[in-house]
Amino acid sequence: DTAVSQTPKYLVTQMGNDKSIKCEQNLGHDTMYWYKQDSKKFLKIMFSYNNKELIINETVPNRFSPKSPDKAHLNLHINSLELGDSAVYFCASSQVAGGNEQFFGPGTRLTVL
Amino acid sequence: KQEVTQIPAALSVPEGENLVLNCSFTDSAIYNLQWFRQDPGKGLTSLLLIQSSQREQTSGRLNASLDKSSGRSTLYIAASQPGDSATYLCAVFNNNDMRFGAGTRLTVKP
Repeated sequence: DTAVSQTPKYLVTQMGNDKSIKCEQNLGHDTMYWYKQDSKKFLKIMFSYNNKELIINETVPNRFSPKSPDKAHLNLHINSLELGDSAVYFCASSQVAGGNEQFFGPGTRLTVL
Repeated sequence: KQEVTQIPAALSVPEGENLVLNCSFTDSAIYNLQWFRQDPGKGLTSLLLIQSSQREQTSGRLNASLDKSSGRSTLYIAASQPGDSATYLCAVFNNNDMRFGAGTRLTVKP
């Protein structure tokens, strides 16, 4: 069973479009995260959700919005996509907030043309 | 602002060699430190998690140490194998923020 899954695995789209990436975890964890890994392979945290509350919000553009319909899902919506949004986006989860071990999904490679 | 540095950026060793990967961080007020492995085009796999009150953690051929006061952690890999080839990332967690190093790309040659 896949612990943390993301869809789609690859996403190619035009500049200006709106897209969503889905994430699901079946670990029963309370906290989920979104990370961005840029072309230089550097990982940066974007958001985390704990019991439907946003507890981290790095200085990312407000074109990015996380949405959590329930504890097992944290989707990432991106409006008006820009070339600089091209990256690999990783979802992760941990049992509780506050620094427990994090488990990562396989990543979604987003390419904006 | 927490900064995490990993040295070396890349390392190539012959199979069977023991090796050490280094991670340093600027703010010693961390909650924990986690080592990950990332294979090309793949996600991150958690290897070891060291809480701030711990000095080391071991899993199989891997041993991670933590010296919070000096802002350093090391990942020791014993008897390296070609399958260990990957990028190794360390990340520190504090105040609901997780900061990653840029990683060490390890190649183990048969």
